[in-house]
Amino acid sequence: GAVVSQHPSRVICKSGTSVKIECRSLDFQATTMFWYRQFPKQSLMLMATSNEGSKATYEQGVEKDKFLINHASLTLSTLTVTSAHPEDSSFYICSASPGQSLMPTGELFFGEGSRLTVL
Amino acid sequence: DQQVKQNSPSLSVQEGRISILNCDYTNSMFDYFLWYKKYPAEGPTFLISISSIKDKNEDGRFTVFLNKSAKHLSLHIVPSQPGDSAVYFCAARSNDYKLSFGAGTTVTVRA
Repeated sequence: GAVVSQHPSRVICKSGTSVKIECRSLDFQATTMFWYRQFPKQSLMLMATSNEGSKATYEQGVEKDKFLINHASLTLSTLTVTSAHPEDSSFYICSASPGQSLMPTGELFFGEGSRLTVL
Repeated sequence: DQQVKQNSPSLSVQEGRISILNCDYTNSMFDYFLWYKKYPAEGPTFLISISSIKDKNEDGRFTVFLNKSAKHLSLHIVPSQPGDSAVYFCAARSNDYKLSFGAGTTVTVRA
């Protein structure tokens, strides 16, 4: 079945540094990918929609200069947390869909998630 | 504004019995409703979905019911097994493929 892979699964960084998280669709092309964030014991919150070949669209309240998204190809989107601070520590998850014609169940596939800890 | 709500944060059920998880939504434009299972520090795993034009979908032990007039859906798991213990998220999909998630329900299946 369709698979979405994220890397790294865990990253620890110092405050002020930048961290890049990759999201790949392994066996399908995704013109659109989504980035979510989950705080402990809370729901998944959509941060932004990553669009191949164009700018990402961000949800209200999400700083686009803090969370840089680049959708360089049909199988790769990256999220860069710039000048990370402890409050950016969270679980970041990406998702993608091969489209309705290939996935009539309507589901989106999720990556394994990336745990970011900023010291 | 929370468009998808799961009002029960937790559910405890005995092995072999039925688990019923509930979900309410406010946006009548959602086109698909999905249930995901999630373990800590992992991405959500798809369980079952239902199109907005259906009222029931069944897959093995999992059945999802949709009541559009009440903007309510439920997930039935029968019989419940210890391996079903996890957090279950209800999600609703917009036609732009964005998912709105509920807060999740932690299910514990007792042996």
